[in-house]
Amino acid sequence: ETGVTQTPRHLVMGMTNKKSLKCEQHLGHNAMYWYKQSAKKPLELMFVYNFKEQTENNSVPSRFSPECPNSSHLFLHLHTLQPEDSALYLCASSQEGQANQPQHFGDGTRLSIL
Amino acid sequence: GQNIDQPTEMTATEGAIVQINCTYQTSGFNGLFWYQQHAGEAPTFLSYNVLDGLEEKGRFSSFLSRSKGYSYLLLKELQMKDSASYLCAVADSNYQLIWGAGTKLIIKP
Repeated sequence: ETGVTQTPRHLVMGMTNKKSLKCEQHLGHNAMYWYKQSAKKPLELMFVYNFKEQTENNSVPSRFSPECPNSSHLFLHLHTLQPEDSALYLCASSQEGQANQPQHFGDGTRLSIL
Repeated sequence: GQNIDQPTEMTATEGAIVQINCTYQTSGFNGLFWYQQHAGEAPTFLSYNVLDGLEEKGRFSSFLSRSKGYSYLLLKELQMKDSASYLCAVADSNYQLIWGAGTKLIIKP
């Protein structure tokens, strides 16, 4: 139990579907992150939220839309995805402002695009 | 550009010692992290180094040389449960983490 919970754990969707990934952290952290993890590639940072404000968007296509209603919850809304978007999507949280504080990860959502 | 290099895969024997290397080139340096990730699970934090030298935590140790842009993770008395991927990440000048692709460690009996 890492204190970061992601749902669903697995998701299969067609390219025309709309779905959302959910992340919740119970650690009292003030920063939350979405990462994409593809096989044999480094983690790709997608979005960062500090105190519910988006501070980073690493040139992510608009078919991915994040939402952070409060400091404990983070969503990733998906629509008209492409086959290359199939990957493991990881959510993480941390206490921003303290360099030595590690990010805590959820178990991820394994996404498959048909 | 920013780059983190680590071996793709390593194999070691149960009870032995293994060293996983990580070299980095980043714009600024605010510390280096090692994470462990078992298949299908979340990456979990192992260690953080910001000053040169060796940090020891039980069977795991992590070393840093900032002048060489180099770190290693040392695992002693290997157990089968240590089979996992080990991720190296560097915090750059903006405190953003730059990640390596991970080293898959296979432990054989």
